[in-house]
Amino acid sequence: EVQLLESGGGLVQPGGSLRLSCAASAFTFSNYAMTWVRQAPGKGLEWLSAISGSGGATYYADSVKGRFTISRDNSKNTLFLQMHSLRAEDTAVYYCAKSGVWFGESGFDPWGQGTLVTVSS
Amino acid sequence: QSALTQPASVSGSPGQSITISCTGTSSDVGGFNYVSWYQQHPGKAPKLMIYDVSNRPSGVSNRFSGSKSGNTASLTISGLQAEDEADYYCSSYTSSSTLLFGGGTKLTVL
Repeated sequence: EVQLLESGGGLVQPGGSLRLSCAASAFTFSNYAMTWVRQAPGKGLEWLSAISGSGGATYYADSVKGRFTISRDNSKNTLFLQMHSLRAEDTAVYYCAKSGVWFGESGFDPWGQGTLVTVSS
Repeated sequence: QSALTQPASVSGSPGQSITISCTGTSSDVGGFNYVSWYQQHPGKAPKLMIYDVSNRPSGVSNRFSGSKSGNTASLTISGLQAEDEADYYCSSYTSSSTLLFGGGTKLTVL
């Protein structure tokens, strides 16, 4: 069974940084694009970023471009999201999800259980 | 870019059919056949229900179907069941090489 397990969330002060990880198992990780999506408390889903299977192509929402960096280590079947200059409005549950061969197609399936990031002083 | 437009809520009785709309523009929904639909129960991660406008992943009930006309995509759930009560989100690839979600629709089974 394909599984994704996020980690790295927690409490961080405004202006701080955090690195999220997403450990993947039971599929050929390097063959698939991966995506990060977040959900603020009581709000809807917001797509943040995607990365190709090789890691050579990355895509970002305007809301995080320049502050967040997506990357992957295919040797360790792990996806990352490095977040800088965090703001209160970045407080959310962050999900990783498996995409198709290309991130725009085939939807996101499955999703991890999510990791909570709280930005507060 | 603004989120895709979904109704905030819809409701139906068990056994009935409901349709949730998702309206975008020619730069997203209307321009590509890459619309997906997700179901989210409270406190749970989203689950893919429909991908590429009208395709169902294995294991998803055939009571769920998707379609698209112009800039509006639709999710139809037939034979409503109590367990269908959840939030539903649409998403679409965009011409900016990004992805947009809809604002979400709360489905209540009466």
